[in-house]
Amino acid sequence: EVQLLESGGGLVQPGGSLRLSCGASGFTFNNCPMGWVRQAPGKGLEWVSSINGDGTNTYYADSVKGRFTISRDNSRNTLFLQMNSLRADDTALYYCAKSRHRNSWYEGEWGQGTLVIVSS
Amino acid sequence: EILLTQSPATLSLSPGERATLSCRASQSVSSNLAWYQQKPGQAPRLLIYDASNRATGIPARFSGSGSGTDFSLTISSLDPEDFAFYYCLQRNSWPPTFGGGTNVEIK
Repeated sequence: EVQLLESGGGLVQPGGSLRLSCGASGFTFNNCPMGWVRQAPGKGLEWVSSINGDGTNTYYADSVKGRFTISRDNSRNTLFLQMNSLRADDTALYYCAKSRHRNSWYEGEWGQGTLVIVSS
Repeated sequence: EILLTQSPATLSLSPGERATLSCRASQSVSSNLAWYQQKPGQAPRLLIYDASNRATGIPARFSGSGSGTDFSLTISSLDPEDFAFYYCLQRNSWPPTFGGGTNVEIK
């Protein structure tokens, strides 16, 4: 059974930083594209970032480019999202997502999310 | 960036009725489109990928169609558990984009 467990969310002041983690199990992590999708309170889904299986290719939404960095540690089956220069509009529930298939980018399975609140 | 427009925003139907949801893209996404269901307090669940392929474990009452710029998700007979939000996602080009969602509510 696929399991994705996010952690690292919390309350942070504007301009601050957080590092989200997503521990994965139940599938072959090191050949599977992964990503982050967020959902602001009461709003729709917004893609944030994706990374390929070996970590050599990364992609970002314009809204986070230059501030967020996605990475992975395939030896620890863990996905990360380093978030710097946080703003109020980054407040959201951040979901970790696994691609449907190693040759697909569709977000196939999702964790339960970790909440990030950016406020003074 | 490709804009996805979903309609209607809200669909009010009764159990057993047929639901048809629309997703229109601002430019062609070929067949690289998915549909997700999200219930309150839960993570999204993949229903359909590549416009018309049901994901593992998805009931046959869910079907997707379309290509290019116009897509539909049809629920042939609404089960009480189907009342939820539905989102489309294009994966034809970077950045991937979601539609704004359709809320299927009980009439």
